[in-house]
Amino acid sequence: GENVEQHPSTLSVQEGDSAVIKCTYSDSASNYFPWYKQELGKGPQLIIDIRSNVGEKKDQRIAVTLNKTAKHFSLHITETQPEDSAVYFCAASLYNNNDMRFGAGTRLTVKP
Amino acid sequence: NAGVMQNPRHLVRRRGQEARLRCSPMKGHSHVYWYRQLPEEGLKFMVYLQKENIIDESGMPKERFSAEFPKEGPSILRIQQVVRGDSAAYFCASSPGGATGELFFGEGSRLTVL
Repeated sequence: GENVEQHPSTLSVQEGDSAVIKCTYSDSASNYFPWYKQELGKGPQLIIDIRSNVGEKKDQRIAVTLNKTAKHFSLHITETQPEDSAVYFCAASLYNNNDMRFGAGTRLTVKP
Repeated sequence: NAGVMQNPRHLVRRRGQEARLRCSPMKGHSHVYWYRQLPEEGLKFMVYLQKENIIDESGMPKERFSAEFPKEGPSILRIQQVVRGDSAAYFCASSPGGATGELFFGEGSRLTVL
């Protein structure tokens, strides 16, 4: 089955700096790659996703890039703000939501 | 439009007791997923259900764990004879269909086994 690895496990940046989180996946047939943000005591919430027919997607300060050849994808957050502090999860999926597999998460801390 | 509702938010059980976790999906969603999250770890898929049917239970332990999604009422994750290793956050998610797309998560039920 699919295996997703995520790095780094923790990331600390100054407010205004950029943050990059990277994930690799094992199944070359995977074609859907979402990113979820989990705030303390809350459930994960989708922030951006990308399908394998595009290489990059952007939504205001966040962007995701996908390299299908290398089987890795990354989350980029620019101009970070304290409210960006949370745990971020990447995931990869093939056909259905029940085959979606999540990375172990990255705890991002943005220092004011 | 209410989101995914989970209860209880916190549950404390002694070893050997039973834990029942409930999940009401978003209105209009008929697909429910249960995940387990251990401290500092990711979300581990447990089971996928549609109304009255278990579609995929490949991530659920064979013993002590069961899930249902009846025609009426919430989905229930049941853990019998709990052990300390069952202590975790259990998240429910729902979606309008089964194909890949956004999962809508509840706020989780945190089980502590003493």
